Amino acid sequence: DAGITQSPRYKITETGRQVTLMCHQTWSHSYMFWYRQDLGHGLRLIYYSAAADITDKGEVPDGYVVSRSKTENFPLTLESATRSQTSVYFCASNPGQGANYGYTFGSGTRLTVV
Amino acid sequence: DQQVKQNSPSLSVQEGRISILNCDYTNSMFDYFLWYKKYPAEGPTFLISISSIKDKNEDGRFTVFLNKSAKHLSLHIVPSQPGDSAVYFCAASGGTGTASKLTFGTGTRLQVTL
Repeated sequence: DAGITQSPRYKITETGRQVTLMCHQTWSHSYMFWYRQDLGHGLRLIYYSAAADITDKGEVPDGYVVSRSKTENFPLTLESATRSQTSVYFCASNPGQGANYGYTFGSGTRLTVV
Repeated sequence: DQQVKQNSPSLSVQEGRISILNCDYTNSMFDYFLWYKKYPAEGPTFLISISSIKDKNEDGRFTVFLNKSAKHLSLHIVPSQPGDSAVYFCAASGGTGTASKLTFGTGTRLQVTL
């Protein structure tokens, strides 16, 4: 199916564990983004990527690592999870012609760090 | 430093009436603005946008107004329907021509009552 998919939908992990959230899009969009949603903060940009092998930090990158070896995939890794990283994570993509086209978001991953 | 602000966390409106959601921004470089709608357990979906060269954009029941001098935009929904009950995020972009990063507000939860 065409679209942007995130996995898993729900994840519980322990403090200090490494966890990877997956994002896959089928449109070959150039740009991909990771946001986290927290009450009182709205959506905050963690990392983004303009193309394969090109990534850059967003507003709240600390504690996260990304990679983009293929255009369609943009995984987000928490190297050593902390309770403050409990959040809902959204992946998004954009064809690269400007924000005019808007972003398409995935359904989100709800991560709980205990 | 919240560059995009939605000062009303929630709003309740009767079905058939007008819903007005407000958004303020501080960054003068923002030149493109978008509204996203989010239902529980789903990703945000693009609703409507406006360029800084315009002061109004209309799409069916949804109209966005931009007042650049006041750095203020608003989303009007007329008439409001129960299906409009969701969280609405205002977002701003710093420039067109590139897939600019979007800066989001904290969101306003709209409840449309019967």
